[in-house]
Amino acid sequence: SAVISQKPSRDICQRGTSLTIQCQVDSQVTMMFWYRQQPGQSLTLIATANQGSEATYESGFVIDKFPISRPNLTFSTLTVSNLSPEDSSIYLCSVEGRGGSGSYNEQFFGPGTRLTVL
Amino acid sequence: AQKVTQAQTEISVVEKEDVTLDCVYETRDTTYYLFWYKQPPSGELVFLIRRNSFDEQNEISGRYSWNFQKSTSSFNFTITASQVVDSAVYFCALSEYSWGKLQFGAGTQVVVTP
Repeated sequence: SAVISQKPSRDICQRGTSLTIQCQVDSQVTMMFWYRQQPGQSLTLIATANQGSEATYESGFVIDKFPISRPNLTFSTLTVSNLSPEDSSIYLCSVEGRGGSGSYNEQFFGPGTRLTVL
Repeated sequence: AQKVTQAQTEISVVEKEDVTLDCVYETRDTTYYLFWYKQPPSGELVFLIRRNSFDEQNEISGRYSWNFQKSTSSFNFTITASQVVDSAVYFCALSEYSWGKLQFGAGTQVVVTP
């Protein structure tokens, strides 16, 4: 299984500033995914991050607002720029990994970063 | 476009009751994957199951069971003999890939009281 850690676990930021979230995986993975969960809502995919290429963004998400880095196969960062209160959410990193049930692949999620924008 | 509907916003049960969570999906893909996740109050997402569109067999794992019916585009989840620790938000999700880009439903909050 894949163990994912995220830093910071939570932060409170001022409007107009930026926050960079780190995601570290304990094994090499081809693709890493960033999701957003707004308060009381479901999860929405922001982008897919491949090592060595630019991230692929989903509709409604743009690189200027959510720049992503993927310097190697175990690490990625997501920056949320020019923060506004509407950016207050939980941001989750996700990877595919081999689960406990043999060859069964699972989609693992990190513990999330809870961002509050004042 | 893909869509996942979890019509039940919240379900409240007393411990030891069974609870069934509905999940209805829409997709034009012939190959797709369905997932269930649990999100307890602590916030982490716990993977429960992944099922591909060619495998309509129902599955049982302990007190959990899943009923996949392509004819009605449903992938329902039942918790048998519920326990307080089952209290969480449960998400159904759909993907055209075996993993990665998941389309989540709105989630169903399950509250189990002693």
